[in-house]
Amino acid sequence: AQKITQTQPGMFVQEKEAVTLDCTYDTSDPSYGLFWYKQPSSGEMIFLIYQGSYDQQNATEGRYSLNFQKARKSANLVISASQLGDSAMYFCAMREGGAGQFYFGTGTSLTVIP
Amino acid sequence: KAGVTQTPRYLIKTRGQQVTLSCSPISGHRSVSWYQQTPGQGLQFLFEYFSETQRNKGNFPGRFSGRQFSNSRSEMNVSTLELGDSALYLCASSSGVSGSSYNEQFFGPGTRLTVL
Repeated sequence: AQKITQTQPGMFVQEKEAVTLDCTYDTSDPSYGLFWYKQPSSGEMIFLIYQGSYDQQNATEGRYSLNFQKARKSANLVISASQLGDSAMYFCAMREGGAGQFYFGTGTSLTVIP
Repeated sequence: KAGVTQTPRYLIKTRGQQVTLSCSPISGHRSVSWYQQTPGQGLQFLFEYFSETQRNKGNFPGRFSGRQFSNSRSEMNVSTLELGDSALYLCASSSGVSGSSYNEQFFGPGTRLTVL
């Protein structure tokens, strides 16, 4: 089974609107971390936000928030007030425990329309 | 604090040759992971080194190997290059501390390898 599943290959959003990028994960380890990365066309991976499995509250970082639903094993990224610079690939990732490898999803290509 | 650096940034090789890529992690980070990114396969984990030891390994053939030095710098080697090895190779560093799920990875700019 896939460790990380991103079911949206491509998404479009109007500038200044909010958008949700979906991510589901699969693990039996009680301790894990969930990450979102942004990859612009330049190729570099940029860390956006982190959620720990024991965190009680959803993580937020500026315009980014993570909708963490542990029972459903989902960790959706919400981008509020989209900007043209948000156009990029977005990857969801998970690390089990502290020493396991990172697992990445296949990514979602987000295009912000002016 | 300097970020993760990778050299070279671009590389062109021919089939059958071998190549060595280098990665310098963020100062103080002991874990270095390598990934291969292609349009068809996405981001695939190659291996992770922590304190000069390979800690995790992905499903790649033995032609792909790596090592880590005492200063945490890491090299990745691909021998007998094939056309399918053309990809963006990303290196990422993290503190690598066990017991905590918060081990954010910081990525380098990548090395784009083209095999002709």
